[in-house]
Amino acid sequence: DAKTTQPPSMDCAEGRAANLPCNHSTISGNEYVYWYRQIHSQGPQYIIHGLKNNETNEMASLIITEDRKSSTLILPHATLRDTAVYYCIVNTNAGKSTFGDGTTLTVKP
Amino acid sequence: DTGVSQNPRHKITKRGQNVTFRCDPISEHNRLYWYRQTLGQGPEFLTYFQNEAQLEKSRLLSDRFSAERPKGSFSTLEIQRTEQGDSAMYLCASRSGARETQYFGPGTRLLVL
Repeated sequence: DAKTTQPPSMDCAEGRAANLPCNHSTISGNEYVYWYRQIHSQGPQYIIHGLKNNETNEMASLIITEDRKSSTLILPHATLRDTAVYYCIVNTNAGKSTFGDGTTLTVKP
Repeated sequence: DTGVSQNPRHKITKRGQNVTFRCDPISEHNRLYWYRQTLGQGPEFLTYFQNEAQLEKSRLLSDRFSAERPKGSFSTLEIQRTEQGDSAMYLCASRSGARETQYFGPGTRLLVL
């Protein structure tokens, strides 16, 4: 599975957009980019995933670069409840997920 | 559909004791995964099942660890002769197919004294 690199921490003002970057330069053609988040003491929560095209759902948007070597998760209007650790994962869907240490996003009032 | 459930949510045990955790996946999800997460780290893969077959095991899964999924539904993870280093959150996840989203349970937090 491709390895991902994320900044260890980010801050965001409440109500503003939070843009979380992820580098996955060794991604293969059939590997999806997944984003999860984990709030303290809970299991990871699925946010969004994509292969090539940008994706949007009720929680977030995912922007994948044309060469697929990086992506950005966008939370359009961050709230205090979005404070969590965000994980970017790349895998083939066939098996396990390889997590890094994620980005700790702190939304401040 | 109530999501992935795990029991117990918390377990405190003494070193050397055996513990068993249970995971109930989302119904009809044929793939089930176990992960371990220590404080400040991301989850680490332990093992996964497709139906009742255990298809992959991590090197993290020492001989003291065993996982089963006898009927292809719920799964158990047993740790024998627990050590203090086994203290962690044990997470279970399931998915309906190879190209479907993986959903996680709330985890079982183990503390070995």
